[in-house]
Amino acid sequence: GEDVEQSLFLSVREGDSSVINCTYTDSSSTYLYWYKQEPGAGLQLLTYIFSNMDMKQDQRLTVLLNKKDKHLSLRIADTQTGDSAIYFCAERSILTGGGNKLTFGTGTQLKVEL
Amino acid sequence: EPEVTQTPSHQVTQMGQEVILRCVPISNHLYFYWYRQILGQKVEFLVSFYNNEISEKSEIFDDQFSVERPDGSNFTLKIRSTKLEDSAMYFCASSLGGAAGELFFGEGSRLTVL
Repeated sequence: GEDVEQSLFLSVREGDSSVINCTYTDSSSTYLYWYKQEPGAGLQLLTYIFSNMDMKQDQRLTVLLNKKDKHLSLRIADTQTGDSAIYFCAERSILTGGGNKLTFGTGTQLKVEL
Repeated sequence: EPEVTQTPSHQVTQMGQEVILRCVPISNHLYFYWYRQILGQKVEFLVSFYNNEISEKSEIFDDQFSVERPDGSNFTLKIRSTKLEDSAMYFCASSLGGAAGELFFGEGSRLTVL
């Protein structure tokens, strides 16, 4: 079955880059996602990458995908205190009924220090 | 911007009581989902719903759980007889399905079973 793993914590200084890593198991995953969860809030879709891409950049966010190693990373440039949150990696599998099921990682708690 | 809304944001109940969590998905979406997140654990898939029936469910979604779309706008999750281990954050999500299948999540309903 699908499984997604992430490191639990990351601490960076404001202004530095953050790199959050994720590994997944399902080689048939077509889309991989990054969600952000602020304290007490829901899951906010940050960005996603299609499996035939190696990289996707969206303003301060860069997603790198190594499909051979099933490794996904999220780089946040110029990290700000407002970036402090839990970041979830998720892989998507298509359900037989046509919907999509996400398998989430454990989440990485990003702490940004002044 | 369209969003998924959930009520209540927090519910406290006694063990054995029935609970109904409510969601209003994005209006043109076709697939509806419930996920849950026990404190400190992964976000887990519970069930997907399409065309007025369950299209897939996980092992967690046993006979104590049911879902319904009673009126074309609301999507509900009912827990018939709550247990302590049902305490969690429950997230509703919706998607168009197919290739354009990004899941959009609500802010969650926190259920506390005493």
